[in-house]
Amino acid sequence: TQLLEQSPQFLSIQEGENLTVYCNSSSVFSSLQWYRQEPGEGPVLLVTVVTGGEVKKLKRLTFQFGDARKDSSLHITAAQPGDTGLYLCAGAKSGANNLFFGTGTRLTVIP
Amino acid sequence: EPEVTQTPSHQVTQMGQEVILRCVPISNHLYFYWYRQILGQKVEFLVSFYNNEISEKSEIFDDQFSVERPDGSNFTLKIRSTKLEDSAMYFCASSDDRGTKTEAFFGQGTRLTVV
Repeated sequence: TQLLEQSPQFLSIQEGENLTVYCNSSSVFSSLQWYRQEPGEGPVLLVTVVTGGEVKKLKRLTFQFGDARKDSSLHITAAQPGDTGLYLCAGAKSGANNLFFGTGTRLTVIP
Repeated sequence: EPEVTQTPSHQVTQMGQEVILRCVPISNHLYFYWYRQILGQKVEFLVSFYNNEISEKSEIFDDQFSVERPDGSNFTLKIRSTKLEDSAMYFCASSDDRGTKTEAFFGQGTRLTVV
């Protein structure tokens, strides 16, 4: 089992604050995706990172893939209540099609 | 915007009964997947399907499970004899073969409740 650990597991912050969510593993991944999931719905793809050290920005969200492709981070600037949700990282191993999902970070942004 | 659609959204079945969960992947995608998520737990891979055959499967995907693409659009997951522990959200996903094949797009899920 390729374990992807996310931290923190729960995060509650005030609107306007910045936050960082981490996704760590001892395994190397060929790519890593970040998803956001609302209760009772399927994961929605936010971004894919494939190159070690890669940084991608999606409005106020910044995603980084570790140099060794074992870890990733998601940074949200000036969080808004609409950012509330479950954030999941998911990694793919080279030559495989399936994704190994992380344990998830449940974010609550308080107005 | 193209999306993966799943039916039904909720299925309640008695233990031992067969269920078929249905999915319509994104039309130009070639890779199809089933994942499940037991309440409060992480999303787990079940099976991937490409070129009309299973390409990978997990330990969860035992002989009670099967997948099929009966026509050009539908992708189904069958559980032959459901158990209480099969209760979960089942997600279908699809991806294309350009760039990162594992960039999967997920459906809204089917909530399966086995009683």
